[in-house]
Amino acid sequence: GQNIDQPTEMTATEGAIVQINCTYQTSGFNGLFWYQQHAGEAPTFLSYNVLDGLEEKGRFSSFLSRSKGYSYLLLKELQMKDSASYLCAVGTGANNLFFGTGTRLTVIP
Amino acid sequence: ETGVTQSPTHLIKTRGQQVTLRCSSQSGHNTVSWYQQALGQGPQFIFQYYREEENGRGNFPPRFSGLQFPNYSSELNVNALELDDSALYLCASSLSGGNGDTQYFGPGTRLTVL
Repeated sequence: GQNIDQPTEMTATEGAIVQINCTYQTSGFNGLFWYQQHAGEAPTFLSYNVLDGLEEKGRFSSFLSRSKGYSYLLLKELQMKDSASYLCAVGTGANNLFFGTGTRLTVIP
Repeated sequence: ETGVTQSPTHLIKTRGQQVTLRCSSQSGHNTVSWYQQALGQGPQFIFQYYREEENGRGNFPPRFSGLQFPNYSSELNVNALELDDSALYLCASSLSGGNGDTQYFGPGTRLTVL
């Protein structure tokens, strides 16, 4: 079967760094996606990893290890507006996205 | 560049009724995917359309059906609505039906079934 695990909730302080982990077991793999979703809004694309290693994009970085079935999203210099759910998703062989349940991040002053 | 749009924003139906949700893909995109997101859960894949043909389907019953039009806009139809169909329905478009293609989501339609 297919499964994605990520923590349900995390809290971090404004200005700090937070790492959101994601482990996956899927029947196909066409890359690992991270999306941000504010309450009541659509998911917005953050990053895509298909090869092992770190991809950096401004305050956000994403890491992938295919052999370990593991990824993380790193958010630096946290801002209040970063409070949102962060969805880890795997692109599967059927050309769809298989999502985890998401990690709700709360940034506190 | 116009993003993904969906209509209506909200909808209330009763059990047993039928509903049609609409999606316009981002300019230049020919692939549309539909997802169902229950409260507190991640989106679940329903199906995908590429150049007017179904290009993959998730674990949803046949009463969930779809269409894609020549302009690449799409419809999701749900027959015989059940209470558990209450959810946010998301449409996502991508440049092509290629594996690993980034999908861009619309704002969603919130469906409530009473």
